[in-house]
Amino acid sequence: AQKVTQAQTEISVVEKEDVTLDCVYETRDTTYYLFWYKQPPSGELVFLIRRNSFDEQNEISGRYSWNFQKSTSSFNFTITASQVVDSAVYFCALSTSGTYKYIFGTGTRLKVLA
Amino acid sequence: KAGVTQTPRYLIKTRGQQVTLSCSPISGHRSVSWYQQTPGQGLQFLFEYFSETQRNKGNFPGRFSGRQFSNSRSEMNVSTLELGDSALYLCASSVGGTVWEQYFGPGTRLTVT
Repeated sequence: AQKVTQAQTEISVVEKEDVTLDCVYETRDTTYYLFWYKQPPSGELVFLIRRNSFDEQNEISGRYSWNFQKSTSSFNFTITASQVVDSAVYFCALSTSGTYKYIFGTGTRLKVLA
Repeated sequence: KAGVTQTPRYLIKTRGQQVTLSCSPISGHRSVSWYQQTPGQGLQFLFEYFSETQRNKGNFPGRFSGRQFSNSRSEMNVSTLELGDSALYLCASSVGGTVWEQYFGPGTRLTVT
């Protein structure tokens, strides 16, 4: 069975703090893809990153960074120096090759306070 | 390039009626997926279409159906609406073929009374 767990339901931080959003996934497939999406208050999900199971390199994009660890089945997302505009619900998702189906976690609501 | 568009944006229907939602993917995208988003269940996969063929479907009753046209536009239909069908219905498109990132539309907010 495939599953994505985002144990943190809601996180509140003060602006400029660093924050890490956790994502743990389950799959028996060896070829799979992981994603992060952002859903701001406006409602439209925005794609942030895609990572395949053969690429464990961490990725940094501006204030965003992602840590993929197959050994712990985790794909965590860190925002450095958070800003109020980062306030949103963040979803982690999993898809395995050939299923054409994306499994989403329940999301983590991030509130960045000024 | 225009994003994913969904129509209508808001709908109010009565229990027992049926509804059709429409989705136009990003130009060049051949895969369209549909999701139901509710506060209690989160984002749940409904079905995925590629080149007019349904490649996978989620665990929803047969009242939920969909189709894709030759221009990649997609529709989903819900018959015999129930109160529990009230949700935000999201459409997402991707290049298709294999597993690519999906780009989401703004959604259709369906309220069943």
